[in-house]
Order: sequence, then structure tokens, then C-alpha cells
Amino acid sequence: DQQVKQNSPSLSVQEGRISILNCDYTNSMFDYFLWYKKYPAEGPTFLISISSIKDKNEDGRFTVFLNKSAKHLSLHIVPSQPGDSAVYFCAAYQGGKLIFGQGTELSVKP
Amino acid sequence: EPEVTQTPSHQVTQMGQEVILRCVPISNHLYFYWYRQILGQKVDFLVSFYNNEISEKSEIFDDQFSVERPDGSNFTLKIRSTKLEDSAMYFCASKWRTGDYGYTFGSGTRLTVV
Repeated sequence: DQQVKQNSPSLSVQEGRISILNCDYTNSMFDYFLWYKKYPAEGPTFLISISSIKDKNEDGRFTVFLNKSAKHLSLHIVPSQPGDSAVYFCAAYQGGKLIFGQGTELSVKP
Repeated sequence: EPEVTQTPSHQVTQMGQEVILRCVPISNHLYFYWYRQILGQKVDFLVSFYNNEISEKSEIFDDQFSVERPDGSNFTLKIRSTKLEDSAMYFCASKWRTGDYGYTFGSGTRLTVV
């Protein structure tokens, strides 16, 4: 039973364009969502988060949108840079633990 | 910036052997976690630890697994009798307080069971 799903295993984007990474969840009781970025041979690093009472949170080039009725969130990166190439994990916070999606590997080409 | 440190970075062990994965969380953090990622799959929660006891554990964390905070700085994960399917990246994480949602993760230990 996968409560957090990232249905796109990979995404390729041209440098300077927008990257949109998507995430769906099934549990309407989740109250906080996070995006983590992971480079090979490193641990996940926190990128941006959003509370379920908001629909948008922005931090520099990164914006997370939350659509509670659709149980969907997305991460927008604009403009995308080659250094953004990594695996991006969506996560939901529940009862003190994080529940992760499968990850989307973003490749930003120069 | 404070880091969560994990050692070793890579461990190879024979099936049936015991392994101990070590972590040094950030010094003023109070909540500690182990997660694992089997190659190509999602990151799975194993166990959370607070006030010297397990707060929650997943169904993956069976009797073969145990955690310990033997002193004020280390946090260890022990697998008593490793199986081939225990091969994965194991991540330690910590956070300061219950109101914090994001954790700081270590860079992981790659465990290979042969």
C-alpha cells in the first residue's frame, strides 16, 4: 500500500526551462509535505516543504504547490540548472515519521 | 553546518553474519531515525528513537534488527543475522524537536550481503 506516489521515474529538461515534478498521495490526514533532493552516494537533503493549510510555498527557484482536493503536490524549479540534476523525493509527514515516494530522477541538460 | 555522520560508507558481509551500522547524529538533536533504500526503490522507514527507547518501528524492523544509543553521541543499528535482502543503503537521520518536520540525513552506509 503506497501512500505517496511519484509516477514518473525520470524527467529530462533543458537548462533554463521549468522542471515540474509531481507527487500524489492517498491519505487525506497528512498535514505536512516535504521535498528532498538526493545526489548519488549522499543522503537526502531537505529542499522545501508545505503545510496542508497552504496551497503554495516558494523559496527562490523552488515552488511547491498543493492541491488537497486532488491529493496532489508538485515541485516547480525555474529556471532549471545542470546542478539540479538529482533524484527528488516527495515525502509526507505522519506521526513523527516521513513516508517517501519512489523518487523522480531529474536530468537538466546544458 | 552540522552533519549526521555515518560509518562505514560501505560494508560487505556474509549472509548470516551480524553487522553494526554506526551513526553520530547532530549533537543537540533528540530524535533519531533509521531509514533504508533498496536499490532503485523508495526510502523506507525502519525505526524512530527518542529518550532512549524506540518510539515507532515498521514491519521491516523485525527481531533481527535492534538499535542502541550506547553513549551520548552514537546511534547504532544492528542486524543480527543478515540476509541477502538486507542489502540496501541505510540512512541515519536526526532532528532537534518534535515540531520539526524535516530531518537531517547522513550520507548512508551501503550494506552488501553476499
